[in-house]
Amino acid sequence: AQSVTQLDSQVPVFEEAPVELRCNYSSSVSVYLFWYVQYPNQGLQLLLKYLSGSTLVESINGFEAEFNKSQTSFHLRKPSVHISDTAEYFCAVCPRGSQGNLIFGKGTKLSVKP
Amino acid sequence: DGGITQSPKYLFRKEGQNVTLSCEQNLNHDAMYWYRQDPGQGLRLIYYSQIVNDFQKGDIAEGYSVSREKKESFPLTVTSAQKNPTAFYLCASSPLGTSGVPGEQYFGPGTRLTVT
Repeated sequence: AQSVTQLDSQVPVFEEAPVELRCNYSSSVSVYLFWYVQYPNQGLQLLLKYLSGSTLVESINGFEAEFNKSQTSFHLRKPSVHISDTAEYFCAVCPRGSQGNLIFGKGTKLSVKP
Repeated sequence: DGGITQSPKYLFRKEGQNVTLSCEQNLNHDAMYWYRQDPGQGLRLIYYSQIVNDFQKGDIAEGYSVSREKKESFPLTVTSAQKNPTAFYLCASSPLGTSGVPGEQYFGPGTRLTVT
């Protein structure tokens, strides 16, 4: 079985500050890793994904995440946040060779203040 | 525009009534999913379907039912047996096989159901 732990339920930061949203997972098989973002009262959107290869993956809006196999982590970072980054962020895993079902963490609410 | 539509955005029902939530996609995706979202709980899988006329229970299927008569449609019925139906419901779809990445899902805007 797989599980995903997002260590912080809420992260308040000031605009232009760096941020890290932490994600750890547990799995007996290899997994694909994802970060999804949910803006208020909307559905989820894929932010970035790790499938294989380079352990550092980047999104188009400045976020990056690094896969650390030994620590089973996939933390999300941004060096300088904007007000518009205020949203809830979900880490998720999909076991390789599975039917494609996602296992989600409980989410981290990022609140960016001016 | 390709995408997933869910209707209505807000839905109000009295306790004891069944209610059906609509989900339609024009992405030609094989797989479709229903999730329930509660504050602080993340997303929990209710039902999923990988092919027309076939579907499987997720982690919290009790009190819910689905059908998949067409590839593009996957309606969810919240029955009176669901003890705590008030929640935000999200539908998603995903291509399968060589045309997609396992786990990469596309979400609709959601339906907020309130039962009183």
